[in-house]
Amino acid sequence: DVKVTQSSRYLVKRTGEKVFLECVQDMDHENMFWYRQDPGLGLRLIYFSYDVKMKEKGDIPEGYSVSREKKERFSLILESASTNQTSMYLCASLTWDSEKLFFGSGTQLSVL
Amino acid sequence: GENVEQHPSTLSVQEGDSAVIKCTYSDSASNYFPWYKQELGKGPQLIIDIRSNVGEKKDQRIAVTLNKTAKHFSLHITETQPEDSAVYFCASIDTGTASKLTFGTGTRLQVTL
Repeated sequence: DVKVTQSSRYLVKRTGEKVFLECVQDMDHENMFWYRQDPGLGLRLIYFSYDVKMKEKGDIPEGYSVSREKKERFSLILESASTNQTSMYLCASLTWDSEKLFFGSGTQLSVL
Repeated sequence: GENVEQHPSTLSVQEGDSAVIKCTYSDSASNYFPWYKQELGKGPQLIIDIRSNVGEKKDQRIAVTLNKTAKHFSLHITETQPEDSAVYFCASIDTGTASKLTFGTGTRLQVTL
């Protein structure tokens, strides 16, 4: 089974801090995604990557950046965390010949 | 871009009853429609999907129907069980041109004993 692992289940940070959310997948998938999940808003795409060192903006990229230095790892960076970035963050991966997304368990980030 | 609306936002049914969740989409080019189930403390997991060349698909107690003309698709769960309690998301994509799914806002299903 594909495993998508997010480094932290819960994270508490202060306003203005630089925050790194890490995601690793073990199935050699080319595509990786970062979503945020908020009640009533569903899953909204922040950034995605279809190859190493490649990235594409999703629907809500403002305030975020990403890094993909290795195929298995996709990092989400909050340059200066703000309270409106308090949310559940979900990482996902996908291979080219399938539309099936595999999600991690999520990181609940609280920015105080 | 694509817009996916999902209803209802919450749904409570008694064990053994059926549950129906409905979604509408805006892009007539969308051709793939998956449903994801998210249990408490876990990430969403694909439970069933349907492509635009099919009107209905069934897998044991769950089924999905698609009406391309009306641009809506539905998830049907029969003989609901407590383990069906979760948040369900519909999604759509035009696999020919788009590189990302557009998700609905989610339905929280509660199956009561």
